[in-house]
Amino acid sequence: AQSVAQPEDQVNVAEGNPLTVKCTYSVSGNPYLFWYVQYPNRGLQFLLKYITGDNLVKGSYGFEAEFNKSQTSFHLKKPSALVSDSALYFCAVRDLTGAGNNRKLIWGLGTSLAVNP
Amino acid sequence: DSGVTQTPKHLITATGQRVTLRCSPRSGDLSVYWYQQSLDQGLQFLIQYYNGEERAKGNILERFSAQQFPDLHSELNLSSLELGDSALYFCASSVASGRGDEQFFGPGTRLTVL
Repeated sequence: AQSVAQPEDQVNVAEGNPLTVKCTYSVSGNPYLFWYVQYPNRGLQFLLKYITGDNLVKGSYGFEAEFNKSQTSFHLKKPSALVSDSALYFCAVRDLTGAGNNRKLIWGLGTSLAVNP
Repeated sequence: DSGVTQTPKHLITATGQRVTLRCSPRSGDLSVYWYQQSLDQGLQFLIQYYNGEERAKGNILERFSAQQFPDLHSELNLSSLELGDSALYFCASSVASGRGDEQFFGPGTRLTVL
């Protein structure tokens, strides 16, 4: 069965330091992978996605993510964190070989990122 | 602003009642998705419509139903409401139903069942 895991409920990082938010997945075929961010009292916003090609994907607000097929991971990274990056981050995966009901995205439970000044 | 609109923003009702949440997708988007977000269960996918037809189903209760109209707006109907239905309900839209399409989320409807 398809699944996605965000092993950390919360990540704390000091402003200016690099940040990583982890995501691992399990699908039967090749994955489409997504990262979304949710600021307080707002809807989710798309950050970036991996479909094919370069394993390093660059997205909005200076975020990037690296697709690692052997480790089935898609960790979100940023070289220098900002206090304004504090938010809830969701990883999601879709199985390329899925059909019908398998077209739905599988969502992680979210990781709360706190960037301290 | 994602271009997805949801009404109402807040809804307070009593157990046993029925409510309707409305969503207008971004201009040109054919797919609409409904999600429920609560503190204890996180983000739960409920259902997806594509160009008026149901495309995928998630953890949607039998008391809940949805539809997408010819003008592509969608409604989520919640009936026989229970306290546990209190949550944020999000609508999202995407251009098509392709697996690589990112979703654009509305601001949500906060439902409180008393």
